[in-house]
Formats: sequence, structure tokens, C-alpha cells
Amino acid sequence: DAKTTQPTSMDCAEGRAANLPCNHSTISGNEYVYWYRQIHSQGPQYIIHGLKNNETNEMASLIITEDRKSSTLILPHATLRDTAVYYCIVRVREYGNKLVFGAGTILRVKS
Amino acid sequence: EAEVAQSPRYKITEKSQAVAFWCDPISGHATLYWYRQILGQGPELLVQFQDESVVDDSQLPKDRFSAERLKGVDSTLKIQPAELGDSAMYLCASSLEPGRTEAFFGQGTRLTVV
Repeated sequence: DAKTTQPTSMDCAEGRAANLPCNHSTISGNEYVYWYRQIHSQGPQYIIHGLKNNETNEMASLIITEDRKSSTLILPHATLRDTAVYYCIVRVREYGNKLVFGAGTILRVKS
Repeated sequence: EAEVAQSPRYKITEKSQAVAFWCDPISGHATLYWYRQILGQGPELLVQFQDESVVDDSQLPKDRFSAERLKGVDSTLKIQPAELGDSAMYLCASSLEPGRTEAFFGQGTRLTVV
């Protein structure tokens, strides 16, 4: 699976959009971009995934660049409860493939 | 909403003692994972089960760690003997299929070895 690069930490004001970047310049054509988050002292939580089209669900939006070398997770109206570590993972969506976590981005939402 | 259940939530044990963690995955999920997470790092996969069979235990320290899922439902992870470096969060996750569907995680067991 391709490697990802994320900033170590970011701050966001409560009520504003949080935009979390992820670089995956070596992504291959069949690799998906996944986002999970981990709130302090809890297990990771699945947020969203995509291949090449932008995706939106009740939690977030995922914007993938046309060349697929980078993506952005958008939390449209960040709240204090969105303070967490956000993991960007690139992986092939095939039977048996593992979910491998990096260090992630610590997002701090401040009032 | 269905959840992955883990117990205990917290465990303190002395060095060289045995310790065990239990996980009950979401009903119907054939794939079960055990991860270890050291403070400040991302989770690391220790072992992956498909039903009752181990499909990946390449990162499991087999001299002291063991995992079983006898009936293909709940699972136990054991450490014997525990070492100071085993202090970490132990996370269990499950999914319908390995690799093709999303994984759902439990709350984890926080182990402290003293």
C-alpha cells in the first residue's frame, strides 16, 4: 500500500471548517483513500473513503485531486468533539488486505 | 447500534504475570483483528482472524503473546509473561470481510505493566 504524509498537528476554530490534508504521491490506480479518527482513549472510528470521485457523508467530505496524489478531509462545521487524531490510509480494497495506520494528524478544535 | 465489546477496560498487572483480554465482535463479522497502540503512535496490527483461523500473525511476538478464536466468534489475547514494554492500549476490531469492508473498533483495553 502507498505511503501517506500528514501534518503532525492542526488547530481549528469551533464552527469553522476543518481541512485536513494528506499526500499520497505514490498511490496506484486501484488504491482507495480511507480516513479514520481516534478520539482520546477510544478506538478508531471509520469516517469515509473514496477512489477518485469526491465523497460526502453525514460526518465529512473527501476531496481527491484529479491526479489522486493528494486529498483533503473536510469537517464542515467543527465542534469541540471533533478534537481527535485523524488517520489517512491508502490501501487496495481487496480480500485480506490489512488496515495499516500511520501517526496521523492531531486536530485540536478550539472555542 | 452494534458495537465491538472489549473487557476489561483497564488492567494493571505486575511484570512476569499473565494477562488476558477478551473481545466480542459485531454479530456476523467473520474477520477479527487485534491491534496494539503505544502512546503517541498509530495502532499496529498484531493478529488477524478469518472465522476461527489465523490469517496474519506476522507482528505477534509469539514467544509471549497468543491469540485464539475457538468458535469463530469471540476472541482472547493473552500475554505471558508480561513485560514493562507491553504497556499499551490493546484494540479489537471486526469487519464483514477482510480488506473490502470497513473495520469497526472497540473501546480498547488499557494495559499497564508495573
